[in-house]
Amino acid sequence: GENVEQHPSTLSVQEGDSAVIKCTYSDSASNYFPWYKQELGKRPQLIIDIRSNVGEKKDQRIAVTLNKTAKHFSLHITETQPEDSAVYFCAARRGTSYDKVIFGPGTSLSVIP
Amino acid sequence: DAGVIQSPRHEVTEMGQEVTLRCKPISGHDYLFWYRQTMMRGLELLIYFNNNVPIDDSGMPEDRFSAKMPNASFSTLKIQPSEPRDSAVYFCASRKGQGSEQYFGPGTRLTVT
Repeated sequence: GENVEQHPSTLSVQEGDSAVIKCTYSDSASNYFPWYKQELGKRPQLIIDIRSNVGEKKDQRIAVTLNKTAKHFSLHITETQPEDSAVYFCAARRGTSYDKVIFGPGTSLSVIP
Repeated sequence: DAGVIQSPRHEVTEMGQEVTLRCKPISGHDYLFWYRQTMMRGLELLIYFNNNVPIDDSGMPEDRFSAKMPNASFSTLKIQPSEPRDSAVYFCASRKGQGSEQYFGPGTRLTVT
């Protein structure tokens, strides 16, 4: 089955700097890659997603890139702010019927004011 | 819509007791997922349903765990008997169709002493 790895497990950046989180997946049939943000004590919430027919997607300070050949995708956060501090999960999902999302282990991001 | 509703929000029980967690998905959503989150194991998919039918329960840790979805608006996750290692946050999530975002409930924090 699908296996999603994520690096780094923890990341600390100065406010205003950029943060990059990288993920790899094992199932070449996966074609949907969401990213979730989970603040302390809260539920995971979708922040951005990308499908396999797209190489890059951007939403304000957040961007995701996908390399299907290498089976890896990344989250980029620019001009980080203290409220970006959270745990970020990447995930992968196949496009077949009865598909399920497989989550990576998470990256704890701390933005230092 | 109120979003995914879970109850109780917190549950403290003694080892050996039966625990029942409840979930009400977003109206109109045909997929329902149960996840368990711990520091050690991250976000694990336990089981998911499509149109009230269990599709994949390969993540259910053992026979002490069972899940049901008697109708489109209600699901339960039962642990009998509970053990201290079951202590975790249990999330329910729902989704409409295959191509849309998955919405998480607020979670139930379970503590087994």
